[in-house]
Amino acid sequence: DAGVTQSPTHLIKTRGQQVTLRCSPKSGHDTVSWYQQALGQGPQFIFQYYEEEERQRGNFPDRFSGHQFPNYSSELNVNALLLGDSALYLCASSGTGYEQYFGPGTRLTVT
Amino acid sequence: EDQVTQSPEALRLQEGESSSLNCSYTVSGLRGLFWYRQDPGKGPEFLFTLYSAGEEKEKERLKATLTKKESFLHITAPKPEDSATYLCAVHLSGYSTLTFGKGTMLLVSP
Repeated sequence: DAGVTQSPTHLIKTRGQQVTLRCSPKSGHDTVSWYQQALGQGPQFIFQYYEEEERQRGNFPDRFSGHQFPNYSSELNVNALLLGDSALYLCASSGTGYEQYFGPGTRLTVT
Repeated sequence: EDQVTQSPEALRLQEGESSSLNCSYTVSGLRGLFWYRQDPGKGPEFLFTLYSAGEEKEKERLKATLTKKESFLHITAPKPEDSATYLCAVHLSGYSTLTFGKGTMLLVSP
């Protein structure tokens, strides 16, 4: 049973560029949440998708957007990248319970 | 003001030296409190969920407990492979997300 998968593992972008990160949830899960984790900090909630709709959003600007597909996989898009967007981006999936299971993350470096 | 506070920020133990990590929360409407383990550069690994005061969960050398305003993660006779950052998170009524603390970085020396 595959767990949560994310791609790519690492990427390097330049300020002002756009990036798309991808996530496939754990089998049987229909809800995907995205988090940003800066070095030495706990994960910060970006948004959550359920039934292809954004169900809840954290305190992040509109430059951060997302999408969920009919197969429950999800994308996180970030436009007009800033140096401060450099972080580990985590995807978590959940089903009927409250537990969220995390993927390995995507390390984004903005130069 | 932080809603979830973890202490200490870092902890260094000798192998076999038992200790406890603390997670305190100032919010109301707790639906669940979660403990995760995170290795450097990797995603958090789920450990425990606690739902009500007085509840306890155990897994190998780890035991999590919950009171009305805090949770403890007790580590008994730790081994070097227990070295990691331990994260605490809360799930609040009316929200579908988790709010995390900053974590406790644990280093166990042989």
